[in-house]
Order: sequence, then structure tokens, then C-alpha cells
Amino acid sequence: EAGVVQSPRYKIIEKKQPVAFWCNPISGHNTLYWYRQNLGQGPELLIRYENEEAVDDSQLPKDRFSAERLKGVDSTLKIQPAELGDSAVYLCASSLLENTGELFFGEGSRLTVL
Amino acid sequence: SQQGEEDPQALSIQEGENATMNCSYKTSINNLQWYRQNSGRGLVHLILIRSNEREKHSGRLRVTLDTSKKSSSLLITASRAADTASYFCATLMDSNYQLIWGAGTKLIIKP
Repeated sequence: EAGVVQSPRYKIIEKKQPVAFWCNPISGHNTLYWYRQNLGQGPELLIRYENEEAVDDSQLPKDRFSAERLKGVDSTLKIQPAELGDSAVYLCASSLLENTGELFFGEGSRLTVL
Repeated sequence: SQQGEEDPQALSIQEGENATMNCSYKTSINNLQWYRQNSGRGLVHLILIRSNEREKHSGRLRVTLDTSKKSSSLLITASRAADTASYFCATLMDSNYQLIWGAGTKLIIKP
């Protein structure tokens, strides 16, 4: 069974440029998460979807970040415009809706903003 | 916000020794989970312990939970070089089912 797939793995951009990350969760997983992880820290939730609905986006900086999960499967996280402080690893995870346990993570997308 | 706090922040031991990491949290939880993250990779789920459980084993892993002290420990026995990674605890809050992460313990196993 394929795991959570993220792309790109690495992205280097100049500040003020836009960037987008894509995530394909495990088949059948209704819940999808986007996390941001800074070096030496734990993941911080940006947004959580249950099917197509964003049920928790309280930590998403909505002035520059946006996310969508069309048809309740793949998801895209966009930053526009990027700032120096956005340099981090963006992690996507998925789980079963009824599951209050294990999250399955992708390998992450490492963003460097110059 | 981060509820879980792991200690130590970093731990370096010889291969074959046991490694113990601790996690403390602040509010009532549904469960507590431990994850491992190898450098440059995603997180991998190791073990979950529910709030009504006190101890759980999985292979060389042993997790304990003390809800009165709001703390958990992860013991890795007979450590191997491949155990070198960062270990994170995550607590599922009882009130809103949010998963809150700690800052992690960086474990280095010296051959």
C-alpha cells in the first residue's frame, strides 16, 4: 500500500514568490493534516480536513497561506507571497476519520526562502 | 501551542544501553502517542497508550503513562545505531481531539 506522497521534496525560492505543495494521502483516509515543522521543533498544525471540509484552520496564517482539498482526496497548500520566516518543512499526514490514533506522515517538503 | 514537553532535549548513549525519554503534558488527554523521525524524513508512529492504560509494550519499546502526574516515558531497550532519531510525544486532548506535539528528544546511539 502506498504511503502519503508529497511533492516537491525540496523547494528554494526568493521571498515574495509564491509556492505550492501537494499531498496525496493514503487511500481511504478521510482526515488530512498539514503541519509546519521548524528545525529542532515539533510539528505545528496548520490545517486539518475531514473529507473536503476544513475543520481546524485556526493556526493557518490566512493572509498568505491557503489550502484546498478538492473531492476530499489530494490537497494543496499554497503560500503567496513567501517570507523568510516561512522556511521550514511542510508535512502532510492522513488518518482514518474514526481513528483517534495513528497518523501517517509523508516525507515532507523542505522550503527555503532566500 | 505545544502541550507536550519532552526531556531530555538530547540524549547520547552507547549501543546496547537502554534509552529513556520523558514527556509531560498539561491537560486531560484521550491518548498519548510516540513518534520517531529520522533526519530529513517524515514522522513514524511507534506506539499509542490510552488514558486508561498504564503500560504498553511493542518489541523493544516500553511506554508508561501516569495520568496523576501527567507524564509518560518511552524506554528503548538494547539500543541500536538505527535508533538514532528524534522522538516526539503527541497528546490527543480529551476536550477537542486536537493532537498536540512536544519539541522532541534527539537520541544519538554511539556504535
